[in-house]
Amino acid sequence: QVQLVESGGGVVQPGRSLRLSCAASRFTFSSYGMHWVRQAPGKGLEWVAHIWYDGSNKYYADSVKGRFTISRDNSQNTLFLQMNSLRVEDTAVYYCARDERTYCSGGSCLFDNWGQGTLVTVSS
Amino acid sequence: QSVLTQPPSASGTPGQRVTISCSGSSSNIGSNTINWYRQLPGTAPKLLIYSNNQRPSGVPDRFSGSKSGTSASLAISGLQSEDEADYYCAVWDDSLNGPVFGGGTKLTVL
Repeated sequence: QVQLVESGGGVVQPGRSLRLSCAASRFTFSSYGMHWVRQAPGKGLEWVAHIWYDGSNKYYADSVKGRFTISRDNSQNTLFLQMNSLRVEDTAVYYCARDERTYCSGGSCLFDNWGQGTLVTVSS
Repeated sequence: QSVLTQPPSASGTPGQRVTISCSGSSSNIGSNTINWYRQLPGTAPKLLIYSNNQRPSGVPDRFSGSKSGTSASLAISGLQSEDEADYYCAVWDDSLNGPVFGGGTKLTVL
């Protein structure tokens, strides 16, 4: 059974940085595209970023473009999200999610497995 | 505000059939396949329906999906108390060049 375990969340002041990790196991991590999806308290889901299976391409939501960087280490089966210049509105539970394919292409993105999430609180 | 519109709430009694709608546009639902996710209270979302009307292994046939034009629907028949959850539609948006979610529908079993 696919396992995704996020870590790195916490309380941080506006303007500061935080790095999230997602440890993957029980599947061939290097064969799947990966995503970060977030959920603000009491709100709905928002896609944040996507990275191809080999790390060669990365895509971001407009709300985080230029501030967040998605990356992966296939040798360590780990996905990362570097979050810089954090804002109060970035407060959310951040989920890592596996795509059903090597990458999410135009027309179809399918999040077939999700981690349990890690809470990021941006507050002064 | 999401580009996909879902009713914020829905309800039904045990055994009843309920439907949840998801309305979009030609740049998303009108041209791409839709997926549905269920989020039980305090847990992570889970894939419920993919490619408009396909069920992953383990999802009972009480759950079904459909799409017509720029709208889609999730139907749940034989409603059970454990179906109380938030339900989200999701689809690729050609204009935004990325996936988008609906605002979510909270289903209450009365």
